[in-house]
Amino acid sequence: GQNIDQPTEMTATEGAIVQINCTYQTSGFNGLFWYQQHAGEAPTFLSYNVLDGLEEKGRFSSFLSRSKGYSYLLLKELQMKDSASYLCAAFTGGGNKLTFGTGTQLKVEL
Amino acid sequence: EAQVTQNPRYLITVTGKKLTVTCSQNMNHEYMSWYRQDPGLGLRQIYYSMNVEVTDKGDVPEGYKVSRKEKRNFPLILESPSPNQTSLYFCASSLYETSGSNEQFFGPGTRLTVL
Repeated sequence: GQNIDQPTEMTATEGAIVQINCTYQTSGFNGLFWYQQHAGEAPTFLSYNVLDGLEEKGRFSSFLSRSKGYSYLLLKELQMKDSASYLCAAFTGGGNKLTFGTGTQLKVEL
Repeated sequence: EAQVTQNPRYLITVTGKKLTVTCSQNMNHEYMSWYRQDPGLGLRQIYYSMNVEVTDKGDVPEGYKVSRKEKRNFPLILESPSPNQTSLYFCASSLYETSGSNEQFFGPGTRLTVL
């Protein structure tokens, strides 16, 4: 079956850097997504990694290691508005089915 | 404006009364998908569609049906809703590219309560 694990909750300080980890065990892996979801709202796309390595997009970076089944999302210069749930998701089963982790609730404090 | 729309946004119904939640996108996306979101369980894929007349089961398809007669529409049908289908439902669409971003655009969500 498909299994995606990420921490349930994290707390960080405004202005700091936080790394949210995601490990996956899936068949037919094709790529990994990160989404941000504020309470009561729809998820919004942050990144999609297919190849190993780091992809940077402003204050957000995402890393993938296919051989280790591991990804992380790095958020720099944290702001209060970054308080949200961060969802890791993998394209599996040959690339068509999308499986999500349960999400990491990030709380940014002053 | 590029968007995914869902209707209704909120629905309270009773067990066994057939209902349809509509989903429409205006971005000419091939890939469309339905998810349900429950506390502690995260987003779980119900059905997805790679293109017109091509649909397949996600992780939790039991009790649901879908159809893809047109590229822009992907309705979710509950033939006989039960209380365990009370949930927040999201529709999403994307291009499907082997080397592209595959960014999924989500609709605003439909909060369904089955009594």
